Amino acid sequence: GAGVSQSPRYKVAKRGQDVALRCDPISGHVSLFWYQQALGQGPEFLTYFQNEAQLDKSGLPSDRFFAERPEGSVSTLKIQRTQQEDSAVYLCASSFRQADYEQYFGPGTRLTVT
Amino acid sequence: AQSVTQLGSHVSVSEGALVLLRCNYSSSVPPYLFWYVQYPNQGLQLLLKYTTGATLVKGINGFEAEFKKSETSFHLTKPSAHMSDAAEYFCAVSDHDRDDKIIFGKGTRLHILP
Repeated sequence: GAGVSQSPRYKVAKRGQDVALRCDPISGHVSLFWYQQALGQGPEFLTYFQNEAQLDKSGLPSDRFFAERPEGSVSTLKIQRTQQEDSAVYLCASSFRQADYEQYFGPGTRLTVT
Repeated sequence: AQSVTQLGSHVSVSEGALVLLRCNYSSSVPPYLFWYVQYPNQGLQLLLKYTTGATLVKGINGFEAEFKKSETSFHLTKPSAHMSDAAEYFCAVSDHDRDDKIIFGKGTRLHILP
């Protein structure tokens, strides 16, 4: 079966533009996670969904970041009024159920803000 | 709060030599620990995980790690390095007392010398 997919793979945005990043988790996976990976760093947690419920958004760096998963499958991470410090790879991961502890990662979306 | 520290941002070993990547953790609860590998332009892939039970955990591609509570360590080893092992390796701990998010270390880039 297909793994986690993310689109677009690469995004260049001018400072101040809004962007939307999409994640398609593995079919049937209940939990979905977003991480931000800056250059040369490890991934940092942004937010977590169980089905359509956003259970933890403590990692979102500002109110410009917003994530949704309205039907409990596909998720979108939206960044409003992008800033240069938002440049990073945004990783999505899914797991079959809560407390599975085995997350499957997508290839990421590399966002460059100019 | 949980955290991990990876010693050495770059490690070089000769092909056929022992691979040792060091990871120390901090956790207020019994930790769940992971090693992930990231090949260039690919998503993160789970190498192995420790949740409970046997402290020596075997993973894919001949890697293994040992959970040592007394040393708060979870070092990754492989007896004989192969050129294909060149990648970025991330140690991680699960924040499982709150939810399923994973907290990553900064990563160690493994270089294999011919």
